[in-house]
Amino acid sequence: QSVLTQPPSVSGAPGQRVTISCTGSSSNFGAGYDVHWYQHLPGTAPKLLIYRNKNRPSGVPDRFSGSKSGTSASLAIAGLQAEDEADYYCQSYDSSLSGSVFGGGTKLTVL
Amino acid sequence: QVQLVESGGGVVQPGGSLRLSCTTSGFTFNIYAMHWVRQAPGKGLEWVALIWYLGTDEYYADSVKGRFTISRDNSNNRLYLQMNDLRAEDTAVYFCARASDSTGTTDFDYWGQGTLVTVSS
Repeated sequence: QSVLTQPPSVSGAPGQRVTISCTGSSSNFGAGYDVHWYQHLPGTAPKLLIYRNKNRPSGVPDRFSGSKSGTSASLAIAGLQAEDEADYYCQSYDSSLSGSVFGGGTKLTVL
Repeated sequence: QVQLVESGGGVVQPGGSLRLSCTTSGFTFNIYAMHWVRQAPGKGLEWVALIWYLGTDEYYADSVKGRFTISRDNSNNRLYLQMNDLRAEDTAVYFCARASDSTGTTDFDYWGQGTLVTVSS
């Protein structure tokens, strides 16, 4: 059972928009810690997609956007492309654990 | 450019030990906290351990506390994970990752490719 809760899977057709939710608690999001999102393809290094709730690292398309409110956060992917098919993870810091925590991961399937 | 390269993975028997290394380059190592993260087969990412930029503070996931030790050599830009009393459930790909700050409370901005640890008799 992950500290951060994500749906196991989401799917969408090319060109559509999908969102992935991430639910935390009072010891992480509610304590003011930011949410960060990663894209992970099997056999590769995870890639930072969104940092500090809504910021994109250089090179990440603006089709990817993030938001956080209270103890919930979400990642939105607009204009879905086949190359977006991957696993997506949210991550934060948890004060009660004195360490980082990940969501269980969401597998995005592009239909 | 920033590079992180893990090494030291392999097959070890239950109860055995292994030491992972992460060789870094392309950035000022001693101003960033560093993490180890793992992914067991068919599972998601799991944070394992954190060490502050000067190595003064270390934090561990409950699943490895008392068995694993994270350390760093700021003179040689290397990160380590000493793993003792290994169990089957420690079987995973282990990634080293750079924190974007000095105390590891934010994101992981660079990752290595990972090294596979298999605990099996």
